Amino acid sequence: EVQLLESGGGLVQPGGSLRLSCAASGLTFSSYAMSWVRQAPGKGLEWVSAISASGGTTYYADSVQGRFTISRDSSKNTLYLQMNSLRAEDTAVYYCAKRMIPFGGVSYYFDYWGQGNLVTVSS
Amino acid sequence: EIVMTQSPATLSVSPGERATLSCRASQSVSSNLAWYQQKPGQAPRLLIYGASTRATGIPARFSGSGSGTEFTLTFSSLQSEDFAVYYCQQYNSWPLTFGQGTRLEIK
Repeated sequence: EVQLLESGGGLVQPGGSLRLSCAASGLTFSSYAMSWVRQAPGKGLEWVSAISASGGTTYYADSVQGRFTISRDSSKNTLYLQMNSLRAEDTAVYYCAKRMIPFGGVSYYFDYWGQGNLVTVSS
Repeated sequence: EIVMTQSPATLSVSPGERATLSCRASQSVSSNLAWYQQKPGQAPRLLIYGASTRATGIPARFSGSGSGTEFTLTFSSLQSEDFAVYYCQQYNSWPLTFGQGTRLEIK
């Protein structure tokens, strides 16, 4: 069974940094593109970033471009999101999500999601 | 950026009834559309991809249709476990975008 377990969230001051991790199991991690999606309290879903199966291609929402960096370590079956220059509007539950189709292609929709990890940016 | 607009924001329906949710794209996304269900305190769950293909384990009472800019998610007969928030997502172009969600509540 595929499992995605996020960690690394918490309270951080505006301008601070945080790194989220997503440990994957039950799948051939290196075969699947992955993504981060966030949800501000009481709000809808917002896509944040994605990374190809090989890690060679990354994508970002305009709202986080230049501040967040997505990466992956296939030797550890782990996805990361390095978040710098955090703002109050980055406060959200962050989900990691697995792309349904393996390997390449452009169809990024997600069949497995982590349980979510709360990031709170506040002084 | 493609803007996804869902309607209505909230739909009140009685169990056993049929219900239809709508999702409109600001420009064509072909059939590159997915639907998700989210219950309180839970992660989203993939229901439909390719606008009309049910994901693994999704009951046949859920059906998706549409292409281009207009899409619908239909429930043939609502069950108690179907009351949740539903989101559409386009994956035709970057950035990926979600609709704002439709809350399906018990009447």
